[in-house]
Amino acid sequence: DTEVTQTPKHLVMGMTNKKSLKCEQHMGHRAMYWYKQKAKKPPELMFVYSYEKLSINESVPSRFSPECPNSSLLNLHLHALQPEDSALYLCASSQGGSTGAGNTIYFGEGSWLTVV
Amino acid sequence: RKEVEQDPGPFNVPEGATVAFNCTYSNSASQSFFWYRQDCRKEPKLLMSVYSSGNEDGRFTAQLNRASQYISLLIRDSKLSDSATYLCVVRGRGGFKTIFGAGTRLFVKA
Repeated sequence: DTEVTQTPKHLVMGMTNKKSLKCEQHMGHRAMYWYKQKAKKPPELMFVYSYEKLSINESVPSRFSPECPNSSLLNLHLHALQPEDSALYLCASSQGGSTGAGNTIYFGEGSWLTVV
Repeated sequence: RKEVEQDPGPFNVPEGATVAFNCTYSNSASQSFFWYRQDCRKEPKLLMSVYSSGNEDGRFTAQLNRASQYISLLIRDSKLSDSATYLCVVRGRGGFKTIFGAGTRLFVKA
């Protein structure tokens, strides 16, 4: 079983709603990630937090707002989304930016988002 | 040219077959290499890291050729349960940017 926990597993929201996806890991990892995955496509990196600071933003629209309250938690706040934002949102973590085994990324089970 | 390219697939093989997946990467500074497996509607799960000396885990063997910027995964004695999408993953030194290949779908049939 994955040690990265995501909630909710499924979310349906309207285009005017505000909702949040939550992610938690207790592996002591210092890097946490949000990925978006559409059907039959590989995961696409959205954001990376390293030591609770935003390290990478892959030019994600501002309707997606990440937050890292502490080293174990990562949120993704959603507002005014579009139907094309419907996808699987994956949270992941890794020990850090080191090489080798410490660079392994571990994924949560994902949150299935549908925007109506 | 994509940063990480994989065989397009799908691969349809009978049980017991040996199947090989290939992957090439464009950034010679890449440092870490992995194969992930993803089942339908599930998250990607680490199958194995790939080391320069090559490594084996049961029926699975991974190889890395830095000179050719090429990674491979060999699955021997395929099982029905091996049916999944296999993702080649490349990471840079000390960085967090992770590049996924498009994935290769494997169907193992009885």
